[in-house]
Amino acid sequence: DIQMTQSPSSLSASVGDRVTITCRASQGIRSDLAWHQQKPGKAPRPLIYAVSNLQGGVPSRFSGSGYGTEFTLTISSLQPEDFGTYYCLQHSTYPLTFGGGTKVEIK
Amino acid sequence: QVQLVQSGAGVKNPGASMKVSCKASAYRFTDNYLHWVRQAPGRGLEWMGWINPHTGDTNFAQKFRGRFTLTRDTSSGTAYMELSRLRSDDTAIYFCARGRASDYTDLDLWGQGALVTVSS
Repeated sequence: DIQMTQSPSSLSASVGDRVTITCRASQGIRSDLAWHQQKPGKAPRPLIYAVSNLQGGVPSRFSGSGYGTEFTLTISSLQPEDFGTYYCLQHSTYPLTFGGGTKVEIK
Repeated sequence: QVQLVQSGAGVKNPGASMKVSCKASAYRFTDNYLHWVRQAPGRGLEWMGWINPHTGDTNFAQKFRGRFTLTRDTSSGTAYMELSRLRSDDTAIYFCARGRASDYTDLDLWGQGALVTVSS
């Protein structure tokens, strides 16, 4: 199975900060990488697909980049509503696998 | 409103079976694969498998083969996930999620989840 390693596992940042989350795949997954946001007690919400494409309704402060084995999710200016846990998902090879999550807290 | 609405949450005894449903609304049910993902309490997300609602074809993660059944009813636009021989470590929230039309292995819409607790 492809292992997806996210870092950091948690972070605390202030409103307006630039935040970067990294996801590394144990083998190449081309551009088959998505990001999902989950708030406590809620279902995940798709944010980005195919590395860098924003899901409809997602603010432009979110962006993604990468290819192959290393990927990043960036929030250019953190907002209070951005708290939650972020998961990367590789859908290149079965079984689909998620990263362990990055919990984002607002200072 | 395009959505997936789930039902079937509850408490089950070890060794029993559980069945969770996922009803699609406001889109053509047979156009998109439906995936199932679970999340144990306080843990991350684990992909279980998918069903192609058009053909009924399925694909499962190896660890769930033999205990996991996916079916669908195209007349009602509902998919079903059944897990048998339940164990305590099957306690989790079970989500259905729609596969993206352009790439059925990616997920573009989630159900609200169904909490299943396995306990005697």
